[in-house]
Amino acid sequence: EVQLVESGGGLVKPGGSLRLSCVASGFTFSTYSMNWVRQAPGKGLEWVSSISSSSTYIYYADSVKGRFTISRDNAKNSLYLQMNSLRAEDTAVYYCARINSYGYEKVDYWGQGTLVTVSS
Amino acid sequence: DIQMTQSPSSLSASVGDRVTITCRASQSITSNLNWYQQKPGKAPKLLIHAASSLHSGVPSRFSGSGSGTDFSFTISSLQPEDFAAYYCQQTYSTPWTFGQGTKVEIK
Repeated sequence: EVQLVESGGGLVKPGGSLRLSCVASGFTFSTYSMNWVRQAPGKGLEWVSSISSSSTYIYYADSVKGRFTISRDNAKNSLYLQMNSLRAEDTAVYYCARINSYGYEKVDYWGQGTLVTVSS
Repeated sequence: DIQMTQSPSSLSASVGDRVTITCRASQSITSNLNWYQQKPGKAPKLLIHAASSLHSGVPSRFSGSGSGTDFSFTISSLQPEDFAAYYCQQTYSTPWTFGQGTKVEIK
C-alpha cells in the first residue's frame, strides 16, 4: 500500500523558515518523481514544486521561486521542502504527492497534508 | 502559464442525478488533463487521468472526455458519497495548474 506521511508543519512568524518532510512507503520511491501541492484555507489547490526521481529536474511555482527548495533523499525514501522568507500568503495545508509518469503524467497518491501557518 | 477555467463553481444535485463539470484550458494541452475528488478535511484523490482514463479502483459512474482545450467530467448517477469538491489539473507544462474547483452539494 502506497503511503506518504508529511511532518514539519506548524506556526511560524513572517520571514521565518520551516522544513517539511515526507516519508514514503509501499513503492520504489527512487523511481518516481514527487511534488508538493498546497491548499490555502477554504481555497483551491496550487502546485508548488516538483522533483524528478534522481533530482535532475526541479521546478517551482513563481510564487515560491527563490524562497522554497525541494529536495529528496532516495536512501531514506524521503522528500523535503525547505521554506524560507515565509509570508502570510504561504499559510496552507501542504501535501506531498507522487507523480506517475507512465503515459501522461498524473498525481496518483497524496499524503494527508501538514498545516503551515504564517502569522505574527 | 496555462489557465484552467472550470465551471460551474458549485452545483446542487440529488442522488441519482447525472452531473457534468467542464474545464477549459487557455491553450491546447492535448490529453494531459486529470480530475480529482476532494472531501472536506481530506487529501485529493485521482479519479480520471489522460482526460478519459479511469484510475484504478474508481467506480465506472465517473467518466471524462475531451482533448485540446475543452474537457468534461461526468458522474452518471450521483451517489451519497460523491458529494465533494472536484478539480481539473493540466500536466502539459509547468507550472501545473488546477481549475478553481466545483463543489457538488446535496439538493
